[in-house]
Amino acid sequence: GAVVSQHPSRVICKSGTSVKIECRSLDFQATTMFWYRQFPKQSLMLMATSNEGSKATYEQGVEKDKFLINHASLTLSTLTVTSAHPEDSSFYICSARQGETSGNTIYFGEGSWLTVV
Amino acid sequence: QKEVEQDPGPLSVPEGAIVSLNCTYSNSAFQYFMWYRQYSRKGPELLMYTYSSGNKEDGRFTAQVDKSSKYISLFIRDSQPSDSATYLCSAGGTSYGKLTFGQGTILTVHP
Repeated sequence: GAVVSQHPSRVICKSGTSVKIECRSLDFQATTMFWYRQFPKQSLMLMATSNEGSKATYEQGVEKDKFLINHASLTLSTLTVTSAHPEDSSFYICSARQGETSGNTIYFGEGSWLTVV
Repeated sequence: QKEVEQDPGPLSVPEGAIVSLNCTYSNSAFQYFMWYRQYSRKGPELLMYTYSSGNKEDGRFTAQVDKSSKYISLFIRDSQPSDSATYLCSAGGTSYGKLTFGQGTILTVHP
């Protein structure tokens, strides 16, 4: 079946540095991917919609300059957390839809744990 | 008010019990509804997908959507300890793939 892969699964970085998380659709092309954030014991909150070949669409309250999203190809989207701070520590999850219309499956990656120290 | 409301539980049931998980939503534009299962520190796994109102059954799982009352349900029959996880309801509208999630219900099935 279709798989969405995220890398790294865990990352620890120092405050003030930047960290990049990759989301890959392994056996299908995904023109649109989504990035979510999840705090412990809380639900997934959509951060942005990543569109291949164009700028990402950010949800209200999400800082565009802090969370840089690039969707350079049909199988890869990246999320870069810039100038990370401890409050950015969270579980980041991407999803990709296989197809453009309803009825197509939405697959989630395994998530990436970010700890900023 | 959150667009998708879900009782976080926790819910604890004995093995073999029928589990009922429920959500309500407020956005009339939502057209499709998905239930995901999430094990600790892992990504969500799709369980059920329903478009518009109606029922859908897959093995021990049954999903129900009542758009008139904006109510979403997931039933698990013959629950197993391996079903212990967090269950997330979600809904989406015209922008397919853009999901709004409920808070998640923590379920424990004890032997």
